[in-house]
Amino acid sequence: NAGVTQTPKFQVLKTGQSMTLQCAQDMNHEYMSWYRQDPGMGLRLIHYSVGAGITDQGEVPNGYNVSRSTTEDFPLRLLSAAPSQTSVYFCASSRGLSYEQYFGPGTRLTVT
Amino acid sequence: GDSVTQMEGPVTLSEEAFLTINCTYTATGYPSLFWYVQYPGEGLQLLLKATKADDKGSNKGFEATYRKETTSFHLEKGSVQVSDSAVYFCALWMDSSYKLIFGSGTRLLVRP
Repeated sequence: NAGVTQTPKFQVLKTGQSMTLQCAQDMNHEYMSWYRQDPGMGLRLIHYSVGAGITDQGEVPNGYNVSRSTTEDFPLRLLSAAPSQTSVYFCASSRGLSYEQYFGPGTRLTVT
Repeated sequence: GDSVTQMEGPVTLSEEAFLTINCTYTATGYPSLFWYVQYPGEGLQLLLKATKADDKGSNKGFEATYRKETTSFHLEKGSVQVSDSAVYFCALWMDSSYKLIFGSGTRLLVRP
């Protein structure tokens, strides 16, 4: 049981490039979410999903897209990276809306 | 809107000292409250939680009591260890909004 896995661990992009951050969980959790962590600001919700085929926006969704075609996977896409998207990104999952969220190890993204 | 306010860090203590990290919240309903811990280079892990007023969450010697009258959920530990050095996040969950809202985090450094 690997829990929540994220790839890559580190990534450097140039402004305007696109990429996908991968997130997978093997716990059969319905709820998955993406957060970004910036110094002094805690974690802020980007997008979330309550099940396959269902996604919704969080607090800071601009510049990011998500889809949820399977229960296991919840990729986060940056279509045109900007320096303001330099951050650490965490994926999380839980078996229900008010249950404990399990976090992945994070992806550190730098946009130059 | 719903929000969480934590005391600013860093908090520096000597081993075996008493720890308090303050957390207060603003919410329109009756949230569930959580403390998460982030060790260096890792994702967040749930430390403890409380789902209704006057509940006390506890784990690994840490405790926090859900105080509705003061809208607080302060984290305490009677005797900290060097291994407790980490960043601690207070968070609230509202079923109505499907979102986990984090405070900005408090860094704890415990010296031998």
